[in-house]
Amino acid sequence: DTGVSQNPRHKITKRGQNVTFRCDPISEHNRLYWYRQTLGQGPEFLTYFQNEAQLEKSRLLSDRFSAERPKGSFSTLEIQRTEQGDSAMYLCASSLAMSTDTQYFGPGTRLTVL
Amino acid sequence: AQKVTQAQTEISVVEKEDVTLDCVYETRDTTYYLFWYKQPPSGELVFLIRRNSFDEQNEISGRYSWNFQKSTSSFNFTITASQVVDSAVYFCALSERTQGGSEKLVFGKGTKLTVNP
Repeated sequence: DTGVSQNPRHKITKRGQNVTFRCDPISEHNRLYWYRQTLGQGPEFLTYFQNEAQLEKSRLLSDRFSAERPKGSFSTLEIQRTEQGDSAMYLCASSLAMSTDTQYFGPGTRLTVL
Repeated sequence: AQKVTQAQTEISVVEKEDVTLDCVYETRDTTYYLFWYKQPPSGELVFLIRRNSFDEQNEISGRYSWNFQKSTSSFNFTITASQVVDSAVYFCALSERTQGGSEKLVFGKGTKLTVNP
């Protein structure tokens, strides 16, 4: 039973460039979450999918951020026109909607914007 | 709004010592869930425990134990006979039910535990 996987693990980009991250959840998990974690802080919620529907977006998710989950399987998070303040660890988690809705996290994608 | 406070930023102990990590939370919900996650240097958050707000029984899993006290809104985590492999950042988290139906997690800032040989 494989866990949540994320690619790439590290991304270095120049300010103004677009980047895209991918998350593959645990198979059969219908809920998928994106979080952002900056140095010395706990993860902060960005957005949530139930199957292919994006049902919740945080105010942290500016217009430059977009997330998709086509067919309710993997998800992508795109950041357009990156800024230095976007530098962070982007974490993906998945869960199975039921009484024990425990979120299992992937290894994260560390983004550095120069 | 939900809030989780982990007042201890860093703790350093010597191997075999017992250590307790504190977590205090704020919520207006009557039903909620509390979690502990471990984040080793590799970065991946590892799930340790989930506790329902209606279940105040303490839980023990090997060297790990958790003390949930609703009266003081605390959910503390104790590692008995600590080992070097326990060195990591530990996060306490609280679930928040959103309008979209998710249970997003609200995390504390974490406690960095260093266990020295």
